[in-house]
Amino acid sequence: AQSVTQLDSQVPVFEEAPVELRCNYSSSVSVYLFWYVQYPNQGLQLLLKYLSGSTLVESINGFEAEFNKSQTSFHLRKPSVHISDTAEYFCAVSEGKAGTALIFGKGTTLSVSS
Amino acid sequence: EAGVVQSPRYKIIEKKQPVAFWCNPISGHNTLYWYRQNLGQGPELLIRYENEEAVDDSQLPKDRFSAERLKGVDSTLKIQPAELGDSAVYLCASSLGGGARDEQYFGPGTRLTVT
Repeated sequence: AQSVTQLDSQVPVFEEAPVELRCNYSSSVSVYLFWYVQYPNQGLQLLLKYLSGSTLVESINGFEAEFNKSQTSFHLRKPSVHISDTAEYFCAVSEGKAGTALIFGKGTTLSVSS
Repeated sequence: EAGVVQSPRYKIIEKKQPVAFWCNPISGHNTLYWYRQNLGQGPELLIRYENEEAVDDSQLPKDRFSAERLKGVDSTLKIQPAELGDSAVYLCASSLGGGARDEQYFGPGTRLTVT
């Protein structure tokens, strides 16, 4: 069965510092990987996804994540965070076939302060 | 384009009372999902619809939960009777298709508190 582990429940950082939110998954088959972001009082929004091809994927607001098959990881990084990046981030996995559900991790709360 | 709409946003009820949540997906999206998000946890799928057919309801507690998606558009999720442990955020999402590659778009959720 698939599962997702987000190793850090809370990550406090200062503005303009780099950040890494860790995500590991377990699955016996090929997977698709996703990062979702949830701002306060809003729904989840897709931040970026890995489906196939290049293992490094990027979002429009400076985040990137790298799929590492050997380590079964999909860590999210940003070289310099802003106050506005404060949110909860969820890693999710789906088996690469139709009809399978998204399995989410428990989430990581990123708190950026000045 | 309008996003996924859910109502109400907040609901407080006493245990043993019934409650219903409504979801209007993005126009043209055939697949609709209901998730439950407990405090400090990620969302967990309750039920998935392809048009008006429930194709995955394996995680729906059928003794007290029911859902419908009439005409393959709007959907309603009902709990009767509610229990204290049902306090959570109920999220609705939709996608164009039901494939694993299809992006799911989430609504803002309904926060249910059972007292």
